[in-house]
Amino acid sequence: TQLLEQSPQFLSIQEGENLTVYCNSSSVFSSLQWYRQEPGEGPVLLVTVVTGGEVKKLKRLTFQFGDARKDSSLHITAAQPGDTGLYLCAGANMDSNYQLIWGAGTKLIIKP
Amino acid sequence: NAGVTQTPKFQVLKTGQSMTLQCAQDMNHEYMSWYRQDPGMGLRLIHYSVGAGITDQGEVPNGYNVSRSTTEDFPLRLLSAAPSQTSVYFCASSYISEQFFGPGTRLTVL
Repeated sequence: TQLLEQSPQFLSIQEGENLTVYCNSSSVFSSLQWYRQEPGEGPVLLVTVVTGGEVKKLKRLTFQFGDARKDSSLHITAAQPGDTGLYLCAGANMDSNYQLIWGAGTKLIIKP
Repeated sequence: NAGVTQTPKFQVLKTGQSMTLQCAQDMNHEYMSWYRQDPGMGLRLIHYSVGAGITDQGEVPNGYNVSRSTTEDFPLRLLSAAPSQTSVYFCASSYISEQFFGPGTRLTVL
């Protein structure tokens, strides 16, 4: 059974600080996605990484896919209160018809 | 273009009652799925469909039925509600693996 472990589960920091969220597995994925979910809403896709070692940037957010395609990280620079939310990673495999394996999420609170 | 819509937004049921959660998408996606989200457990797949007339079970299918008569609609039926089905339910449609979610239905079973 494929599992994705996210850490930390909860993070509360001050505005302006930097942070990193991790998503780890013992399994290889064809691609890995990061979603952000705000209270009362469904998750919204932020990015998909496909190639081992790939780095993608979305404004102050930097996403990296591990060289072996088993792990990923999300780094936020100078966090803002608008970054508050639940961050979910999800891995996909062609072999399983692209069904997603979901991490449990990291709840992030950025205090003004 | 409304994306993925779900109704109702909130629902309270008594144990043993049945109901249908509605889901519709206007993006012409073949792949649709239903998830439940519980605190600390992420998203768990209930049922999914790869096209009209084709459905399959996910990780936690017991107590739920689905059908897919059209590309647009993918309703989820609770046959006999139980308190363990109290959760937030999300419908999603996909292009390859990238999923687009509806706003969710918050269900409480008393």
